[in-house]
Amino acid sequence: DTAVSQTPKYLVTQMGNDKSIKCEQNLGHDTMYWYKQDSKKFLKIMFSYNNKELIINETVPNRFSPKSPDKAHLNLHINSLELGDSAVYFCASSQAAGTETQYFGPGTRLLVL
Amino acid sequence: TQLLEQSPQFLSIQEGENLTVYCNSSSVFSSLQWYRQEPGEGPVLLVTVVTGGEVKKLKRLTFQFGDARKDSSLHITAAQPGDTGLYLCAGADYGQNFVFGPGTRLSVLP
Repeated sequence: DTAVSQTPKYLVTQMGNDKSIKCEQNLGHDTMYWYKQDSKKFLKIMFSYNNKELIINETVPNRFSPKSPDKAHLNLHINSLELGDSAVYFCASSQAAGTETQYFGPGTRLLVL
Repeated sequence: TQLLEQSPQFLSIQEGENLTVYCNSSSVFSSLQWYRQEPGEGPVLLVTVVTGGEVKKLKRLTFQFGDARKDSSLHITAAQPGDTGLYLCAGADYGQNFVFGPGTRLSVLP
């Protein structure tokens, strides 16, 4: 079974649309993350949730809104998509916040046209 | 915000050669992690180093954390095509926030 799964794997959409990316982990971890990896492969944290509560919210546009219905899920909703949002978005989880090992999902490749 | 730099940015070598990649910062980290990311996949943790001066070995890979906890190196002995990938270092500050470096893209040719 996949430890951290993301859907969809690929997402191609028009500028201005609203889209969601889903993430689920079956590891029983308390902390989940969303990262953005740009075309230069630079991986940057966007959000971190611990026990369904937001603990890290880096400087990202408020068009990005994470939602954690339960500990095993952290979804990312993006409003009014822009060209610059094109990137690979990775979900990750760890047993606890901080310096614990992070397990990454396979990524969602978003292309905004 | 701490900035992590990695060098070289790209490295292409022949199978059997040795190589070292570096991760540097002007900031002190409580711990540092190395990940490998293959095309189309998410990063996978290789090692975590915590103590200044610490050396850890993982088969042909040797990781070292600098004495001042500001830098780290990854040495690969007798590289194989299966080592090809993007190597990322990630430093954790004492507030338990992670920052990733830009990565070193390694290509090992058979």
